[in-house]
Amino acid sequence: QQQVKQSPQSLIVQKGGISIINCAYENTAFDYFPWYQQFPGKGPALLIAIRPDVSEKKEGRFTISFNKSAKQFSLHIMDSQPGDSATYFCAASRNTGKLIFGQGTTLQVKP
Amino acid sequence: ETGVTQSPTHLIKTRGQQVTLRCSSQSGHNTVSWYQQALGQGPQFIFQYYREEENGRGNFPPRFSGLQFPNYSSELNVNALELDDSALYLCASSLDYYNEQFFGPGTRLTVL
Repeated sequence: QQQVKQSPQSLIVQKGGISIINCAYENTAFDYFPWYQQFPGKGPALLIAIRPDVSEKKEGRFTISFNKSAKQFSLHIMDSQPGDSATYFCAASRNTGKLIFGQGTTLQVKP
Repeated sequence: ETGVTQSPTHLIKTRGQQVTLRCSSQSGHNTVSWYQQALGQGPQFIFQYYREEENGRGNFPPRFSGLQFPNYSSELNVNALELDDSALYLCASSLDYYNEQFFGPGTRLTVL
């Protein structure tokens, strides 16, 4: 019940395309769903986060879509750029405490 | 404003030894969480400290222990190191235990 399942494991997108990464959770007590971006040799950086009282949140080129009934949420990166090439992690927690992370998605944006 | 800092950057130890990793939280943050990230995996929660008290622990053995100091900096101690302890150890700080977590660059620990 504590797992967060993330897919795909890797993703290749052309510059200007849309990157979509999906996550599913089981624990209905989770109430905070962040996405982190991690470059090689660096710590994860908070990109965007959502709470279950809204179905979508947009910040610049990054959008989270949230489906409470399906217990799924996804990250959409619009107009993907080579600089977006990184590993992306979804996570879930209750009260933003202990974060449960997905396995990660390695994104490569081709010029 | 200084972000989360961790020291050392890299560390090499041998099996059975003990190690101490350090974390300075972001200014004004009173909560520190520690995570272990094995190669190619997502970070796994070790424990969290809030105002110098442990505020939650993940599924890690007692040889993983921690401290938080009055200035809210923190230490992670690992005794009797095992080969599987080789990982990137991440520290995250937050304004309070219910706020967003901001990660430091991590300490890469290699156990030989």
